[in-house]
This record gives sequence, C-alpha cells and structure tokens, in this order.
Amino acid sequence: SQKIEQNSEALNIQEGKTATLTCNYTNYSPAYLQWYRQDPGRGPVFLLLIRENEKEKRKERLKVTFDTTLKQSLFHITASQPADSATYLCAQGGGTASKLTFGTGTRLQVTL
Amino acid sequence: DAGVIQSPRHEVTEMGQEVTLRCKPISGHNSLFWYRQTMMRGLELLIYFNNNVPIDDSGMPEDRFSAKMPNASFSTLKIQPSEPRDSAVYFCASSLGKRGVAYEQFFGPGTRLTVL
Repeated sequence: SQKIEQNSEALNIQEGKTATLTCNYTNYSPAYLQWYRQDPGRGPVFLLLIRENEKEKRKERLKVTFDTTLKQSLFHITASQPADSATYLCAQGGGTASKLTFGTGTRLQVTL
Repeated sequence: DAGVIQSPRHEVTEMGQEVTLRCKPISGHNSLFWYRQTMMRGLELLIYFNNNVPIDDSGMPEDRFSAKMPNASFSTLKIQPSEPRDSAVYFCASSLGKRGVAYEQFFGPGTRLTVL
C-alpha cells in the first residue's frame, strides 16, 4: 500500500539558515502533495499544495518541490526564524477521493 | 468565520463509558473529515463525509466507533464502549471540495481524549 514517509528525527537549524524537510512516498505518484504546519496543542494549518505536473511552488519564504523520479517532495524555509519552529506534515491525495494520507511529520527547531 | 469548532476540548472518561465528540465545520464547506492523532501512528483518517454522506469509513478502527453527519453544520464521532487504547487527540477538518479535487483542509483545535 502507498506510504508517506517523513524523517521522524527532529531537525535543528540556526536562525537565518535554510531548513529543508523531506517527504518520500512509495509506489505510485500521488496526484498532489500538501504541506501543513502543526504547533503543539493545535490542529494542522495548510501551507502549500503542489500537483504532480508541477516541479516547484513558492509562497513567501516557503518553497516546495515535487520530483516524481525520486518519489520525493522537498519543503524549504529560507531565512528561518525561531517562529518557524513547529512540526511539518506532508500529505498525499488523489484518485477519485478527496481524502489525504498524512506522514508522521518532522519537528523543526530553529535556534538563535 | 470562527473556523472549525470542536467540543469538548478535553475529555477524561473511564473504560467502558460512551464518548461523543462534536464538530461544527466551516459554513459552506461540503466535506468533513475525522482524524485521530497519536505519537505512535501520527494523523490517521477515520472517516470522511461529502455533502453529509459518508464516503470512506475504512479508517474506523472497529464497530465501537461510529460517526454521523445529520446536517451540513454538525457531525459527531461516538465511541461506545471506550477503551484506554482510544486515548488520542481527535481532529475534525472541513474543506470545500468534490471527489478527486484537491482542496486545503481546515482543522479544528482537536479534542484530547483520555480513557482511564
């Protein structure tokens, strides 16, 4: 069955650096991938969506790529700030259903 | 808009008791999703509705779980009887959408359920 895999280990980076988070999927390419941010004690918040025919999507300091050859999506935060510290979730969707399958998330910690 | 509203925010109950979680989606959204989140298994989809009709309930763990959506502005997730392994955070989310079309989902604040 299709799986979405994210690095379960926390990512620690210094303020001002670029954070790069990875989302890998097995088997078939999903029609689209979505990225969400989740803060402790809160529900996930949508950030970006990228479709399988798109190579890259940007929104302010955020950038998402979709590589169907590598079966991977990369999520970048440039000029990272301590306020970017959170857990980031990748989710795949597609087919005839509008449901999403989420990865387990990667916790990002940005330090001064 | 107030966003997705869930109640209660916290629920502590004893094993064997019935638990009912409630959700009010964003007005105008026609898809509603119930998720469960644990450290071990992450965010899992339990069931989702489109236009108040259950579309996929394959994620519902067992017959102890049931969900209803009597109208476009209200849904419930019921666990009867509850067990300690049901302890988790339960999220409700809503979105605009039709089958096969990708729309962002808006999540509620969640209900933290503890079954003793």
